[in-house]
Amino acid sequence: ETGVTQTPRHLVMGMTNKKSLKCEQHLGHNAMYWYKQSAKKPLELMFVYSLEERVENNSVPSRFSPECPNSSHLFLHLHTLQPEDSALYLCASSQGLAGGVYNEQFFGPGTRLTVL
Amino acid sequence: LAKTTQPISMDSYEGQEVNITCSHNNIATNDYITWYQQFPSQGPRFIIQGYKTKVTNEVASLFIPADRKSSTLSLPRVSLSDTAVYYCLVGAMDSNYQLIWGAGTKLIIKP
Repeated sequence: ETGVTQTPRHLVMGMTNKKSLKCEQHLGHNAMYWYKQSAKKPLELMFVYSLEERVENNSVPSRFSPECPNSSHLFLHLHTLQPEDSALYLCASSQGLAGGVYNEQFFGPGTRLTVL
Repeated sequence: LAKTTQPISMDSYEGQEVNITCSHNNIATNDYITWYQQFPSQGPRFIIQGYKTKVTNEVASLFIPADRKSSTLSLPRVSLSDTAVYYCLVGAMDSNYQLIWGAGTKLIIKP
């Protein structure tokens, strides 16, 4: 049990659908992240929230819309996606902002998204 | 912008020591180096982190030369359960707002 849960685990959607991915962390962390993981590519950091404020948006298309209503929950709203958006979407959390000392990220199992 | 490069795959045998090297030529002064392990159908899991010289914990060691342009993850006496993908991460969100991941090294341990 990593303490970070993601739902759904699998999602198939058409290009005109609207769906949302949910992430919940039970670790009392202050920072949360969305990543995209495609085959044979590095993890792509999409969004970062610290204390419910967005601190980073790495040039992600507007068809991805994050929401962080509180420090335990993170959503990724999806609309009019493209087939190339099919990937594993990972959520992570950390006590402080990641990369620095003692701020390891704890990952959820991911949502496998397929866009038809 | 920093870039991390690591071998695509490696093979080894049970009981051997495995060393995986990551190249990060443009590492910034404030960047830390972190390694993660990922099994199929799971998210990555933290292994070890360092800034310079050598760091050791109960599962691995991390060697970082003085110029910090590379780092080597060392796994002592591997077992079949160490078969996984290993990622090198360079960055510091609390200073330069960057987290640069390598593409991962698929390590296969054979009996």
